[in-house]
Amino acid sequence: KAGVTQTPRYLIKTRGQQVTLSCSPISGHRSVSWYQQTPGQGLQFLFEYFSETQRNKGNFPGRFSGRQFSNSRSEMNVSTLELGDSALYLCASSLNSGGEQYFGPGTRLTVT
Amino acid sequence: SQKIEQNSEALNIQEGKTATLTCNYTNYSPAYLQWYRQDPGRGPVFLLLIRENEKEKRKERLKVTFDTTLKQSLFHITASQPADSATYLCALDKGYSTLTFGKGTMLLVSP
Repeated sequence: KAGVTQTPRYLIKTRGQQVTLSCSPISGHRSVSWYQQTPGQGLQFLFEYFSETQRNKGNFPGRFSGRQFSNSRSEMNVSTLELGDSALYLCASSLNSGGEQYFGPGTRLTVT
Repeated sequence: SQKIEQNSEALNIQEGKTATLTCNYTNYSPAYLQWYRQDPGRGPVFLLLIRENEKEKRKERLKVTFDTTLKQSLFHITASQPADSATYLCALDKGYSTLTFGKGTMLLVSP
């Protein structure tokens, strides 16, 4: 089975712009979670989608949003980018709710 | 507030020895505790999951213990190898695929 894929792998944006990141989960997995990883804060949970519904959201501002499509693929969007949004954004999928998660390679976002 | 602590200092051990990593948490009642391995520039890789009603779990050279009274998990790698060098992350899960991660401990295994 193919693993979790994320596109693009690297992205450079300017402050004030917006960005959309994409994640394709493992085939058959219905839950997709997003995380932000920075050297200072570590891995932090952004949100989780299951069958196109956002079930959980982390403590991030409303500039961070996401969605999930009927084929379980997911996108996350960050609007009005700030320098502090520079991070590795990781997507993870799991078969059901709870249990082990399978991470993609991440999208490295740099905001200048 | 919820807090998960892992030793921020790198753990240096010799090949063949047992590595023991610690994860402590406060103000939390997780349903599961998970351990992941992360190599530089890559996403975390799932290693082991232990449920709140389990005391110990093993997989090949890996062993995890979970003490909900002490609010602590220990992660052991026996007969460690240089290829085990990585950052190891502890994660607490209340269910619903919402993981709260510690900041990880870097393990360095020297030949």
